Amino acid sequence: QKEVEQDPGPLSVPEGAIVSLNCTYSNSAFQYFMWYRQYSRKGPELLMYTYSSGNKEDGRFTAQVDKSSKYISLFIRDSQPSDSATYLCAMRGGAGGTSYGKLTFGQGTILTVHP
Amino acid sequence: DGGITQSPKYLFRKEGQNVTLSCEQNLNHDAMYWYRQDPGQGLRLIYYSQIVNDFQKGDIAEGYSVSREKKESFPLTVTSAQKNPTAFYLCASRGSFGTPGRITGELFFGEGSRLTVL
Repeated sequence: QKEVEQDPGPLSVPEGAIVSLNCTYSNSAFQYFMWYRQYSRKGPELLMYTYSSGNKEDGRFTAQVDKSSKYISLFIRDSQPSDSATYLCAMRGGAGGTSYGKLTFGQGTILTVHP
Repeated sequence: DGGITQSPKYLFRKEGQNVTLSCEQNLNHDAMYWYRQDPGQGLRLIYYSQIVNDFQKGDIAEGYSVSREKKESFPLTVTSAQKNPTAFYLCASRGSFGTPGRITGELFFGEGSRLTVL
């Protein structure tokens, strides 16, 4: 079983839809949670990060972390064609130990927003 | 402009040949990483280096080698021992101590190198 599971999709939605992307994980030591966006043939770029449990909002994007359920989500409101990309969740533990500094990624979800 | 430069973008290799992928950063970052990306598998860590002249194996190091002789450079060699080398390779770096990105563990990625074995 992978440490981080993410539904690879693909996911296709109409413009303006609300998109929900999710990851589950098994390592209770994870404390930092991130979402990366990757356009085709490009490197990933950080979209949002959250420390421990809670919500974080940035414009049309909301990240949620539920550590008790080991479940994280990214919501995209009013989705646009420019949001079409692969979305990767990533997470890591705190300082110290072998996990320090190393991110564990999900498989990535391919999202297409059509006009 | 600060960033990470990977070269070449596309590379074709015959079976049995070694190839070296270049990664250079001018962000003054201490830590550098190599990931491999395959469809449906996300990013898997090959090697990482936290300081010059030191590096550690990641989860899939077999068939790969690296060096870290300079802070700015972290080349990856895909050897003939790598059984399935066709993939998209991503180099990344992480901020140095005292920077916000260092705390979260945010990685800055290059644009990748696509290697195809013929």
